[in-house]
Amino acid sequence: EVQLLESGGGLVQPGGSLRLSCAASGFTFRNYGMTWVRQAPGKGLEWVALIYGDSGGTFYEDSVRGRFTISRDISTSTLYLQLNSLRAEDTAVYYCAKFGNAYAIDYWGQGILVTVAS
Amino acid sequence: QSALTQPPSASGSPGQSVTISCTGTSNDVGAAYKSVSWYQQHPRKAPKLIISEVSKRPSGVPDRFSGSRSGNTASLTVSGLQAEDEADYYCSSYRGNDIVVFGGGTKLTVL
Repeated sequence: EVQLLESGGGLVQPGGSLRLSCAASGFTFRNYGMTWVRQAPGKGLEWVALIYGDSGGTFYEDSVRGRFTISRDISTSTLYLQLNSLRAEDTAVYYCAKFGNAYAIDYWGQGILVTVAS
Repeated sequence: QSALTQPPSASGSPGQSVTISCTGTSNDVGAAYKSVSWYQQHPRKAPKLIISEVSKRPSGVPDRFSGSRSGNTASLTVSGLQAEDEADYYCSSYRGNDIVVFGGGTKLTVL
């Protein structure tokens, strides 16, 4: 059974940093692309970043490029999202998720809340 | 990166059919790689994949859910509406250049 368990969320001041972790299990982690998707309170889904399974290449949505970094530790099957220079508009539930075929997200974590406020 | 366009709301009575549209461009929804997906999200829950690759249903998803595409517009049809289908629905697509984009979401109400 695929499981994705996020941790590391919380309240942070504007300009601050946070690191989200996602412990993955139930599949061969290194073989699959992984992604972070966020959802601001009362708003829709927004893709944030992805990391490819084969190459480890990373790519970002325009508003987070240069501030957020997606990475992974294959030895522990853990996905990370480093969030720097946080802004109020980054406040959201952040979902860790696994890609299946054709960029379909076939498994999602339960989500972790990040609140940026003073 | 602008979102794909979905109607903010849709509704239907139990047993009826409802179709939700998702409009993009030839770089995403209309592209040859057929990477349109649909997700169902109930309140305070994580999204769930219900359609991938334009029209494929993952195991366990009822066949009341179907997907299609015409040009740059994808559609999700829910047939035989049931109370539990009331939820938010999102489309997504690969846009090329290693970018994924979502629609703004459609709130489906079962009357």
